[in-house]
Amino acid sequence: SQQGEEDPQALSIQEGENATMNCSYKTSINNLQWYRQNSGRGLVHLILIRSNEREKHSGRLRVTLDTSKKSSSLLITASRAADTASYFCATDGETSGSRLTFGEGTQLTVNP
Amino acid sequence: GAGVSQSPSNKVTEKGKDVELRCDPISGHTALYWYRQSLGQGLEFLIYFQGNSAPDKSGLPSDRFSAERTGGSVSTLTIQRTQQEDSAVYLCASSLAGGVGEQYFGPGTRLTVT
Repeated sequence: SQQGEEDPQALSIQEGENATMNCSYKTSINNLQWYRQNSGRGLVHLILIRSNEREKHSGRLRVTLDTSKKSSSLLITASRAADTASYFCATDGETSGSRLTFGEGTQLTVNP
Repeated sequence: GAGVSQSPSNKVTEKGKDVELRCDPISGHTALYWYRQSLGQGLEFLIYFQGNSAPDKSGLPSDRFSAERTGGSVSTLTIQRTQQEDSAVYLCASSLAGGVGEQYFGPGTRLTVT
């Protein structure tokens, strides 16, 4: 079963704007990762944040993690049309081992 | 270097037939995972191989599904007596070890059961 839930399910913005996607989960985690998927095929890893970290940056990406609220957010700054894709959060935890539990994803559309 | 490859990229089969899906992980990766993604949904874990350990089969939806990994490398996911609800994209991923870290995904096999 999916323990992660992303919101919004779909997000449409203009190029240059920032995009924020949220993820919530139910059980204790060791790590949370964000992946990107184009056209319903292979996923590309974006960033991993450990349970003892609160914020992490990678280029135009900023991820936050609030373990007390069991939630994470992914911020993409200065969005580009090429950022159009589905974004998924995935968690691994004490009970699940290294298998990842994925959320339902957010479909981001960046309009030129 | 080469990434994770999967074959076939697309498979159309009739209900009741058996299908085999193949995954070639990145060389040197000891962990291999199979996931399933139905249309517009997130990924559902199916099975996980780590080295020579017994696989974690806890995600397989029924006994019609099985997988093996020969020689610690190539993996085959077999679905027997396919049903229409088996239609999905089947994604394979590998990682350096079974612990923390990034999983590298293949392009997937889109299975359509008619």
